[in-house]
Amino acid sequence: AQSVTQPDIHITVSEGASLELRCNYSYGATPYLFWYVQSPGQGLQLLLKYFSGDTLVQGIKGFEAEFKRSQSSFNLRKPSVHWSDAAEYFCAVGGALDFGNEKLTFGTGTRLTIIP
Amino acid sequence: GAVVSQHPSRVICKSGTSVKIECRSLDFQATTMFWYRQFPKQSLMLMATSNEGSKATYEQGVEKDKFLINHASLTLSTLTVTSAHPEDSSFYICSAAKNIQYFGAGTRLSVL
Repeated sequence: AQSVTQPDIHITVSEGASLELRCNYSYGATPYLFWYVQSPGQGLQLLLKYFSGDTLVQGIKGFEAEFKRSQSSFNLRKPSVHWSDAAEYFCAVGGALDFGNEKLTFGTGTRLTIIP
Repeated sequence: GAVVSQHPSRVICKSGTSVKIECRSLDFQATTMFWYRQFPKQSLMLMATSNEGSKATYEQGVEKDKFLINHASLTLSTLTVTSAHPEDSSFYICSAAKNIQYFGAGTRLSVL
């Protein structure tokens, strides 16, 4: 069965500091990997995705993530956070059989707090 | 970009009544839509996969008679919470798939 682990429930970062959110996955085949962001009371916005090719993917809002197959990881990074980045971040894994139309399994999320 | 509209954004109802939530893909057709439930400060739990023109596929533990899903067209899926009870209070989120999943803004259901 597929699963996603986000080890950090809550992270606090100073504005302007760098950020790394961890994500480890378990999937029996070629995974599709995603990072979504959710603001309070809102739906999910896609930050970036990995399907194949270059293992370092760039997303919106200055985020990037690196797929490391050997570590089953897909960590999200940002060199300098802004106060508007405060939100809940979800890592998700899905199947590649139907080119992304299969169901996703989400991690438990990491809540990001930004301090001045 | 691909936009998914979910309506209503918030609903309060009395125990025993039914509530319908709509999920529309505004600028693309989606043969597959998904319904998730999210408890406070928790992750999204997939409830069911909705396929246009066929019966929905429910996840284990989700009561199909309680949560009725209809995917009547390529742009509309509805979730009806029948005979709602306070324990059904939650945040429900839909997504529509076009290579990836695009999410609606969610519906906050409060059952009194």
